[in-house]
Amino acid sequence: QVQLQQSGAELAKPGTSVKLSCKASDYTFTNYYMYWVKQRPGQGLEWIGYIFPGNGWTYYSERFKGKATFTADTSSSTAYMLLGSLTPEDSAYYFCARHNSGYWGFAYWGQGTLVTVSS
Amino acid sequence: DIVMTQSPTSMSISVGDRVTMKCKASQNVGFNVDWYQQKTGQSPKLLIYKASNRYTGVPDRFTGSGSGTDFIFTISDMQAEDLAVYYCKQSNSYPFTFGSGTKLEIK
Repeated sequence: QVQLQQSGAELAKPGTSVKLSCKASDYTFTNYYMYWVKQRPGQGLEWIGYIFPGNGWTYYSERFKGKATFTADTSSSTAYMLLGSLTPEDSAYYFCARHNSGYWGFAYWGQGTLVTVSS
Repeated sequence: DIVMTQSPTSMSISVGDRVTMKCKASQNVGFNVDWYQQKTGQSPKLLIYKASNRYTGVPDRFTGSGSGTDFIFTISDMQAEDLAVYYCKQSNSYPFTFGSGTKLEIK
């Protein structure tokens, strides 16, 4: 049973950074893209980008270039997203997600990590 | 970026109703549209992939259709447990983009 376990809620001050984690289990971590999605409370879903742990390739939506940085630790099957230069607009839930074999639907999702940016 | 225009924004429905929502892509995305259900406080769940394929375990009252730029998602017999926000997403080209969602509410 594929599982994506995300790290706990974060409270951060403006201008600082947070690093979120997404630990994958029960599949070959290096074979699948890991996607990240943002959702502000009460708002819609926003696609941030992906990392392919097999070779470290990344892709960022234009809006998140310079804001988000993806890394992956293949030894622990964990994907990370660093969010830098935080502002209140970064306060949101952040989900990691994985597609299924053969198509790009996000069949597996983490439970989400709430980031709150406040002074 | 491809813009996914989803309509309506919200719907007031009754149990047993047939529910239809639409998603229009700003350019041709082939069959590469997925539909997700998100209940309050939960992660989204994949219901339909590649426009019309029901994901494993999804009840057959949920159906999707369309291709190119116009897509339709239907719940044939609305159940109370289907109250949620539904999102379309194009996965034809990066960046993937979501529609703004359709919220189903009880009338």
